[in-house]
Amino acid sequence: GAVVSQHPSWVICKSGTSVKIECRSLDFQATTMFWYRQFPKQSLMLMATSNEGSKATYEQGVEKDKFLINHASLTLSTLTVTSAHPEDSSFYICSAMPFLTEAFFGQGTRLTVV
Amino acid sequence: QKEVEQNSGPLSVPEGAIASLNCTYSDRGSQSFFWYRQYSGKSPELIMSIYSNGDKEDGRFTAQLNKASQYVSLLIRDSQPSDSATYLCAVKGPLSGGYNKLIFGAGTRLAVHP
Repeated sequence: GAVVSQHPSWVICKSGTSVKIECRSLDFQATTMFWYRQFPKQSLMLMATSNEGSKATYEQGVEKDKFLINHASLTLSTLTVTSAHPEDSSFYICSAMPFLTEAFFGQGTRLTVV
Repeated sequence: QKEVEQNSGPLSVPEGAIASLNCTYSDRGSQSFFWYRQYSGKSPELIMSIYSNGDKEDGRFTAQLNKASQYVSLLIRDSQPSDSATYLCAVKGPLSGGYNKLIFGAGTRLAVHP
């Protein structure tokens, strides 16, 4: 299967600071990537669709000014959580569909805001 | 009504038994269906994909799809303790703005006991 790499795997930050998470497709080009958030014992919730060279598409209820997405190349999408607060603590996961069929996921990033 | 529904479980089966996981979806236009396995603290990994009515077998796993009933299932034969995880049903939703989004169910927690 295709390889999607996410970095960092975990991060702890102070309340009010910003955190950037990277998602890379290692062996394919991804014009579209997806960002999910997962709270403990809950399912994956799609936050936004990242589009190479254009603006991201955010799901209803997701603050676009708080969760900044940049998809500057065909292999890299970044999610920046701005002015993070403890309620933003969650498991963030990116995915891509190299063949427009199955989705492959990055390893996920555990964000803890203290 | 949720778009993709699964029983949250836990589903407890003895080692060597068949585990049966079920999923229903609401959008009749859905074309692609997936089962992912997620271990605690990890990102989902693809187990099976199915696109047409009937059964699809891969090793100990069998996916079953019935589009008329809007139902998809996963059977795990000869269940092993290592199969203990949360199983996520995912459905590729209708094209929206040109992007294929995966809609996830809440997941069924499977526990295989020795």
